[in-house]
Amino acid sequence: GDSVTQMEGPVTLSEEAFLTINCTYTATGYPSLFWYVQYPGEGLQLLLKATKADDKGSNKGFEATYRKETTSFHLEKGSVQVSDSAVYFCALTGWAGGTSYGKLTFGQGTILTVHP
Amino acid sequence: GAVVSQHPSWVICKSGTSVKIECRSLDFQATTMFWYRQFPKQSLMLMATSNEGSKATYEQGVEKDKFLINHASLTLSTLTVTSAHPEDSSFYICSAHLSGRGETQYFGPGTRLLVL
Repeated sequence: GDSVTQMEGPVTLSEEAFLTINCTYTATGYPSLFWYVQYPGEGLQLLLKATKADDKGSNKGFEATYRKETTSFHLEKGSVQVSDSAVYFCALTGWAGGTSYGKLTFGQGTILTVHP
Repeated sequence: GAVVSQHPSWVICKSGTSVKIECRSLDFQATTMFWYRQFPKQSLMLMATSNEGSKATYEQGVEKDKFLINHASLTLSTLTVTSAHPEDSSFYICSAHLSGRGETQYFGPGTRLLVL
């Protein structure tokens, strides 16, 4: 079945540091890939997404590129802020027979803490 | 757009009682809604998938008689935890999926359930 593996956290950085959170996946067909963010005490918010190979999703300074050859979707940000402290989830939705069935498979989540 | 609400945001109940959680898509019609459970510092676990007007599809290991799901309309799904016990205490999150929006799921803010 489909699966998503994220780098283990927690990740602790100083403000303005460079961030990379690794994500690799296993899926049949052509999945869509997502990064979701969960701030303390809140639900998940879509951060960015990519629906086909070589697509780059970007939002709020975060970027991730859909790499089919390495089955990866690593999240990056050039300069993190304290307000970026949250839990980040990599996820995918699979396709079957040309139809998306919408079911999300999540990675285990990576806790990011940014210090001033 | 694409706002999903949940009610209540938190609930405390006695063991043996039943608790109903509502999930509403406020500005769009959701063809499919999902219910997740999240344990502290862990990822989201999909419990069930519900389509309007049909029976929910439960994931392996989820008791359908304990977690009753009703998807009465394209904007409302409910999860009822029947005869709740302390081990049912968790953070329950719903999401709504609209076909054609790039397979994106929109998440509610979650409901924290504490069973005493």
